[in-house]
Amino acid sequence: KNQVEQSPQSLIILEGKNCTLQCNYTVSPFSNLRWYKQDTGRGPVSLTIMTFSENTKSNGRYTATLDADTKQSSLHITASQLSDSASYICVPLSGGYQKVTFGIGTKLQVIP
Amino acid sequence: EPEVTQTPSHQVTQMGQEVILRCVPISNHLYFYWYRQILGQKVEFLVSFYNNEISEKSEIFDDQFSVERPDGSNFTLKIRSTKLEDSAMYFCASSDDGPYSNQPQHFGDGTRLSIL
Repeated sequence: KNQVEQSPQSLIILEGKNCTLQCNYTVSPFSNLRWYKQDTGRGPVSLTIMTFSENTKSNGRYTATLDADTKQSSLHITASQLSDSASYICVPLSGGYQKVTFGIGTKLQVIP
Repeated sequence: EPEVTQTPSHQVTQMGQEVILRCVPISNHLYFYWYRQILGQKVEFLVSFYNNEISEKSEIFDDQFSVERPDGSNFTLKIRSTKLEDSAMYFCASSDDGPYSNQPQHFGDGTRLSIL
């Protein structure tokens, strides 16, 4: 069964600090991995998409890494802002989209 | 920037009633999706739609559910006889290429469905 584990479950950081969120997954075969940001009460917003051949992908202050061998991904947020407060969801995609598994997300709170 | 719009934002329905959730995807997109998110839980895939037919559907998408693209702009999700456990946020999404590509899916802000 495909599984996605994200850590930490929640995180509080000071504005301006960096943080790294982790995602471990067991999906197989692997197609691509997506990170989303979900503000409370809003739909997810795509941050990065990586295929198995990509190790790193950046989108502004967000940098995702992928190790397809160990089935681990991380999302690094640089110089956090108050608007970064949201849930960050990892979604590894297997060969069949009907089996896609969303992570439960890491809830990030950035405080002044 | 174009966006996916969903109506209504909140729908309250009696158990057993039919409900239709509406979505207007981004105009040049070809792939359409419905997801749901029960309060406090993870997002779950329901169905994908391409070229006027269902591409893939999850185990959740049983005979009570149906999707339709009645015209060139709308994409609807119908639940025939709602149950209490259908209470959730329902998200529509669209993309200009399939889920295995590197194209992002654009999500609407959802319809909160409350079944009484």
